[in-house]
Amino acid sequence: DAKTTQPTSMDCAEGRAANLPCNHSTISGNEYVYWYRQIHSQGPQYIIHGLKNNETNEMASLIITEDRKSSTLILPHATLRDTAVYYCIAKAAGNKLTFGGGTRVLVKP
Amino acid sequence: EPEVTQTPSHQVTQMGQEVILRCVPISNHLYFYWYRQILGQKVEFLVSFYNNEISEKSEIFDDQFSVERPDGSNFTLKIRSTKLEDSAMYFCASKVRTSGNYEQYFGPGTRLTVT
Repeated sequence: DAKTTQPTSMDCAEGRAANLPCNHSTISGNEYVYWYRQIHSQGPQYIIHGLKNNETNEMASLIITEDRKSSTLILPHATLRDTAVYYCIAKAAGNKLTFGGGTRVLVKP
Repeated sequence: EPEVTQTPSHQVTQMGQEVILRCVPISNHLYFYWYRQILGQKVEFLVSFYNNEISEKSEIFDDQFSVERPDGSNFTLKIRSTKLEDSAMYFCASKVRTSGNYEQYFGPGTRLTVT
């Protein structure tokens, strides 16, 4: 699986969009970008994944650069319940998940 | 919405005792996992299980660990002789199938405390 690099932490204001960056410069053509989050010792929660195209679901949007070397997870209207550690994982389909340190996001009122 | 469940939520055991952690994956899922997270550390992969056999395991998953799907619904992790360093949150996950690109769904975890 390709190595990913994320900021250690970031704050965002409640009601504003939260943009979480991730670098994966060594990603290979068959590796997807997955995002999970973990709210205070709960089980990791799947958010979204993509290969090349931008993706959107009810939780978030995923923007992947054309060269696929980086991506951004967008939480459109952050709430206090979005405070969590967010993990960006680049892996081929079928592989296990390898979690890094993630980005600790604190949503402030 | 279907979800992965785990029991117990918290297990306290003495060093050297055997523990069994139980998971009920989502009913139509075919691929199962165990992960663990020591307090303050990363989530670590332990083992994956498909078609009644282990498909991959990490270095952590030594002879003290075993997994089983005893019936059509449960998926268990057994630690034969617990050590202090086995204290962690243990998460079960499941996925609908192995081929293709599908996400894993995690349970709420079992907190194992070894004293």
